[in-house]
Amino acid sequence: QKEVEQNSGPLSVPEGAIASLNCTYSDRGSQSFFWYRQYSGKSPELIMFIYSNGDKEDGRFTAQLNKASQYVSLLIRDSQPSDSATYLCAVGGRAGNNRKLIWGLGTSLAVNP
Amino acid sequence: GAVVSQHPSWVICKSGTSVKIECRSLDFQATTMFWYRQFPKQSLMLMATSNEGSKATYEQGVEKDKFLINHASLTLSTLTVTSAHPEDSSFYICSARDTGLYGYTFGSGTRLTVV
Repeated sequence: QKEVEQNSGPLSVPEGAIASLNCTYSDRGSQSFFWYRQYSGKSPELIMFIYSNGDKEDGRFTAQLNKASQYVSLLIRDSQPSDSATYLCAVGGRAGNNRKLIWGLGTSLAVNP
Repeated sequence: GAVVSQHPSWVICKSGTSVKIECRSLDFQATTMFWYRQFPKQSLMLMATSNEGSKATYEQGVEKDKFLINHASLTLSTLTVTSAHPEDSSFYICSARDTGLYGYTFGSGTRLTVV
């Protein structure tokens, strides 16, 4: 079993719809959870991080964490063509430490105009 | 916000030569720098973790004598690809964390092509 799993996609949604991206992890000791977006040929950029169970909202993005189920998701509301990219889920240790992140393979999202 | 400046953004070199990639944290102190490699249409692969003033920790399968990492200061880490070969052609990215923030910031990446 991979440590961090994501559906590879591609996930295709129409413009204006909600895109839902999912990620599961195997290490119950994980404390920090990150979503990054990566455009083709570019380096990843941080979209959101979450540490506590529940939802965290930032603009059109909502991260959801369920530690009991070892599951973290990212919802993108009002999806735009510019959201088309690969979304990477990463899992790490406690906030403030520099433990290396464990990465999923990414989910490719295509938002169709 | 935290910024990591990475140079060069792209480089083409001849087989057998060495290439140095620099990453600088511009507005924070990066006690730890992570170096990744990414092949086309594949995910990030962590190569090594460097801590300021100490030897880097390499991931399994990464040749430490080929990929030399130096982290001599809190704002500068370098990766040198020695005796480069075409199979080393890849996208190399550094990443660091500002302890005042919660996310890991990435450099813009270096696309290395060995001919």
